[in-house]
Amino acid sequence: RKEVEQDPGPFNVPEGATVAFNCTYSNSASQSFFWYRQDCRKEPKLLMSVYSSGNEDGRFTAQLNRASQYISLLIRDSKLSDSATYLCVVNSLANQAGTALIFGKGTTLSVSS
Amino acid sequence: NAGVMQNPRHLVRRRGQEARLRCSPMKGHSHVYWYRQLPEEGLKFMVYLQKENIIDESGMPKERFSAEFPKEGPSILRIQQVVRGDSAAYFCASSLEGVRGSGQPQHFGDGTRLSIL
Repeated sequence: RKEVEQDPGPFNVPEGATVAFNCTYSNSASQSFFWYRQDCRKEPKLLMSVYSSGNEDGRFTAQLNRASQYISLLIRDSKLSDSATYLCVVNSLANQAGTALIFGKGTTLSVSS
Repeated sequence: NAGVMQNPRHLVRRRGQEARLRCSPMKGHSHVYWYRQLPEEGLKFMVYLQKENIIDESGMPKERFSAEFPKEGPSILRIQQVVRGDSAAYFCASSLEGVRGSGQPQHFGDGTRLSIL
């Protein structure tokens, strides 16, 4: 089982649509969770951290289910500018430092007018 | 620009040459991480450094690759005797504290695209 798995996509949606991405992780001891966004051939940019209680930032809502080792990202009212690859990221506890981030391969979103 | 600075943006080397990639963390950040992204693949952790110390190099290939973060100056990722398979985007990230337990995110530089002829 891969350490972080995501829906492969691509997701093709019209403007205004609501879209949800799912992610599962294999290490039950993982402690930190993030969603990053990566535009084509650019650097990953932090979209939001994911907290156990769930959190919202404008049109974006992230959920974490530790029991199921499942993370989700919901985007409401999609904009053309939301087109990107969304990366599910979990911190690794493979060593004492527990500092490495494990990235999923990403889910590609394409929003069309 | 107070973000993570990487240079060069693009680097072309012939097989057998050396590649040096540089990274200056965000102001105030003392934790630096290097990642590699192969075409059509996700980012893979390579190494984590603090000033003058390698904390975790579990993702580094055993041969030809090395990294340092000296007391003064940028962090350097060095690849000796490059091969075609080293062609990738190499991203550097920095954080205020270590990730473990603190939830501190890592902020990424623009990356260096390394091409091996």
